[in-house]
Amino acid sequence: DGGITQSPKYLFRKEGQNVTLSCEQNLNHDAMYWYRQDPGQGLRLIYYSQIVNDFQKGDIAEGYSVSREKKESFPLTVTSAQKNPTAFYLCASRTGTGANVLTFGAGSRLTVL
Amino acid sequence: QKEVEQNSGPLSVPEGAIASLNCTYSDRGSQSFFWYRQYSGKSPELIMFIYSNGDKEDGRFTAQLNKASQYVSLLIRDSQPSDSATYLCAVKSYNQGGKLIFGQGTELSVKP
Repeated sequence: DGGITQSPKYLFRKEGQNVTLSCEQNLNHDAMYWYRQDPGQGLRLIYYSQIVNDFQKGDIAEGYSVSREKKESFPLTVTSAQKNPTAFYLCASRTGTGANVLTFGAGSRLTVL
Repeated sequence: QKEVEQNSGPLSVPEGAIASLNCTYSDRGSQSFFWYRQYSGKSPELIMFIYSNGDKEDGRFTAQLNKASQYVSLLIRDSQPSDSATYLCAVKSYNQGGKLIFGQGTELSVKP
């Protein structure tokens, strides 16, 4: 079945540690996105990538980093510079043609202890 | 003014009633509008999208778009308890390079 796989589903981090969230898609989609969601709020864009080896900052990129070495993969690193990293992280992808419909992964919930 | 605004709710309706969810947006050049449903602790799933002024129906769901008023709504007919979720409005903003801008979501509760 085609889809987006995010891992881990739950992650606990101590302050000062970097963590990497995995996002893999087998939909052959060109564009991939990372969003952050806090309780009672909508989704805020962290980073996005429209082609391999290229990515752009979203609205809240500070304290995060990404890479896009393969079309299928778009990992997100939450660095120690991110002051308030506890949140629900969502990876999404969309095809480059037709309707601009995002398909989301199941999400990763990060808690800083 | 937020780029995409929704009433956060909660909106409570009885089972079988029509639920009306509203969304306004600030970018007058926006062309594409999306409604996502998100159950608690889960990821958003697309309900429907609309591009043209007027109504678009899909089963119990109807999206309504009024570009002149910068307003998009979602009607859910014959609401069921399983419709209880947060509904996110998203707008493709050409002023921001075509990015999808999300509202904060409206929580809907359908009471049996």
